[in-house]
Amino acid sequence: GAVVSQHPSWVICKSGTSVKIECRSLDFQATTMFWYRQFPKQSLMLMATSNEGSKATYEQGVEKDKFLINHASLTLSTLTVTSAHPEDSSFYICSATPGQGYNEQFFGPGTRLTVL
Amino acid sequence: GQNIDQPTEMTATEGAIVQINCTYQTSGFNGLFWYQQHAGEAPTFLSYNVLDGLEEKGRFSSFLSRSKGYSYLLLKELQMKDSASYLCAAMDSNYQLIWGAGTKLIIKP
Repeated sequence: GAVVSQHPSWVICKSGTSVKIECRSLDFQATTMFWYRQFPKQSLMLMATSNEGSKATYEQGVEKDKFLINHASLTLSTLTVTSAHPEDSSFYICSATPGQGYNEQFFGPGTRLTVL
Repeated sequence: GQNIDQPTEMTATEGAIVQINCTYQTSGFNGLFWYQQHAGEAPTFLSYNVLDGLEEKGRFSSFLSRSKGYSYLLLKELQMKDSASYLCAAMDSNYQLIWGAGTKLIIKP
C-alpha cells in the first residue's frame, strides 16, 4: 500500500522560532500533496495544496508567508512554520496523491506542534 | 457554498449496528469518502462512493444517493476498537475534498 511518512512526530519549540515538518511518500510519486491542520475536537482544515515544481495554493485565511510550503520533488514536501506562536500549536497532517484528478489521499501520521 | 453535515457524536453498544449519516452540498461532485480517525492519529481511508448504491467491505458498508446529496456509513458487529471519529468528505469539481466536522462514535460494552 501507499505509505506517507512525516517527520518529526511531535515538536516543542519556543515562541518566535521556526519549525520545519517533512512529508514523504515512501513508495509512490506524489504529484500532489496537501497540508492540513487540526485543532482538538475539530475536523481537518485544508491549509494548502502543492504540486511538484510549482507554488502552493493556499486556502483563504492561511498566511503564505507564515506557512512556507516547498514541494521540491515527487516524494518530498515541507511545511515551515515561521516565527511560531502559541496559537500555531496544532496537529499538522500531510497527505499525498499519486496523480491529479481523483485519487485517494494517503495520509501521513501527523505532527503535533506545541509552541511555548 | 459548500457544506458537509454529519452528527457530532453517536453512542452504540458493542456487537450492535450503527449508521452514521452525511449530507453534502458541493460545487460539482466527484465522489464521497469516509475516513476513520482515532484520537491523536491521522485519518485512514474506509470507503469511496461515486455511483449510487451500497458498497460493502467487511463489517463496514457505505451508501450514496447523489440525487439526495446523502451518504451513510454502516458499521456492523461493533467492536470497542471502532470507537473513533468518522469523517465524511465530498470531492468537488476541482477534485478538492470538502471535509465534514466528523462524528465521534462511542462504543459501550
